[in-house]
Amino acid sequence: AQSVTQLGSHVSVSEGALVLLRCNYSSSVPPYLFWYVQYPNQGLQLLLKYTSAATLVKGINGFEAEFKKSETSFHLTKPSAHMSDAAEYFCAVRSTGNQFYFGTGTSLTVIP
Amino acid sequence: ETGVTQTPRHLVMGMTNKKSLKCEQHLGHNAMYWYKQSAKKPLELMFVYNFKEQTENNSVPSRFSPECPNSSHLFLHLHTLQPEDSALYLCASSQDLAGNPRDTQYFGPGTRLTVL
Repeated sequence: AQSVTQLGSHVSVSEGALVLLRCNYSSSVPPYLFWYVQYPNQGLQLLLKYTSAATLVKGINGFEAEFKKSETSFHLTKPSAHMSDAAEYFCAVRSTGNQFYFGTGTSLTVIP
Repeated sequence: ETGVTQTPRHLVMGMTNKKSLKCEQHLGHNAMYWYKQSAKKPLELMFVYNFKEQTENNSVPSRFSPECPNSSHLFLHLHTLQPEDSALYLCASSQDLAGNPRDTQYFGPGTRLTVL
């Protein structure tokens, strides 16, 4: 069975500081992993995905994530936070049948 | 993102009303999904359709009735809902359920439903 755990339901960073959002996965097969972002009153937008190619995945808006099999992690990072990054972030793992299992989300606040 | 659209964006209904949510995707996909997003809870998958056939019903109460007339359109018919059904209902689509590594789910903006 597949699942993801997002550590920290709320993260606050100062503008310009490093953003680190944590995601650990559980999967019985090599996983396909995703990060989505949700801005207020909007749907989920794909940030990036890992599909067993390069372990460091670059996404939109300057975000990237690194797949670490030994740590079963897929943490999302951005070197310098911007006010527009304030949103809810969801990690997800996809089963072989294309069913997605989402984490509970991490709300990112950016402090000016 | 205009690949997946949902209407209405907001809906307020009484417990005895009947209403429908509509989702349309313009991506040429064959699989469509309904999710429920409640505060403080993970996204809950409700229904999955693949090539117009329902492949998943995640123990959803019968007061929610999905309909998929073609691969581009998905409806969620609502009847005698409860206040706890108030949530954001998200539609998503993907190429299919074959599990191609390049495939992913694309989401609509959601319908904010309030049941009084």
